[in-house]
Amino acid sequence: GAVVSQHPSRVICKSGTSVKIECRSLDFQATTMFWYRQFPKQSLMLMATSNEGSKATYEQGVEKDKFLINHASLTLSTLTVTSAHPEDSSFYICSAETEHEQYFGPGTRLTVT
Amino acid sequence: GIQVEQSPPDLILQEGANSTLRCNFSDSVNNLQWFHQNPWGQLINLFYIPSGTKQNGRLSATTVATERYSLLYISSSQTTDSGVYFCAAARAGSYQLTFGKGTKLSVIP
Repeated sequence: GAVVSQHPSRVICKSGTSVKIECRSLDFQATTMFWYRQFPKQSLMLMATSNEGSKATYEQGVEKDKFLINHASLTLSTLTVTSAHPEDSSFYICSAETEHEQYFGPGTRLTVT
Repeated sequence: GIQVEQSPPDLILQEGANSTLRCNFSDSVNNLQWFHQNPWGQLINLFYIPSGTKQNGRLSATTVATERYSLLYISSSQTTDSGVYFCAAARAGSYQLTFGKGTKLSVIP
């Protein structure tokens, strides 16, 4: 089946620093990838749609200058949380779409101290 | 956007019992998927089922697109089936999934 990886799986950073999360489709090419955020005991909320070679589309209420997305190739999208603050602590999950179905990475747990 | 509602929110089953999880959606869809989120947060694809019926072992799913609902059946439940089950749908013309709030399933020995 289609496999999506994420790196790192867990990161702790200090307030004010930036963190980059990588999402890779390992055995297929993905024109479109998605980034989600999940708070404890809640559902997944779509943050942005990442399109290879073009600008990401952000959902309402998501700050594009805080959450920088780059989709430089058909197998890699990155999410950079800039000037992170404790309220950015969350579980970030990416997905990649192939043949209309989305496959999800294992997630990145971000803790900002 | 599309609304996705799941029921029940919580379900406790004795091992070996059967269960049905429901997902209602508010618009025509071109994608409907069921997932199981394991304790480590990984979303495992169960079914891609915008319409029709599929079966995979003890799990099966049915989507009635004209009536805007989908059902996930779990038969002969096992403790390893415990976790949160999510339904997610993308409205026609979009690939963006909207997730329901999930059903938390606990299977007890």
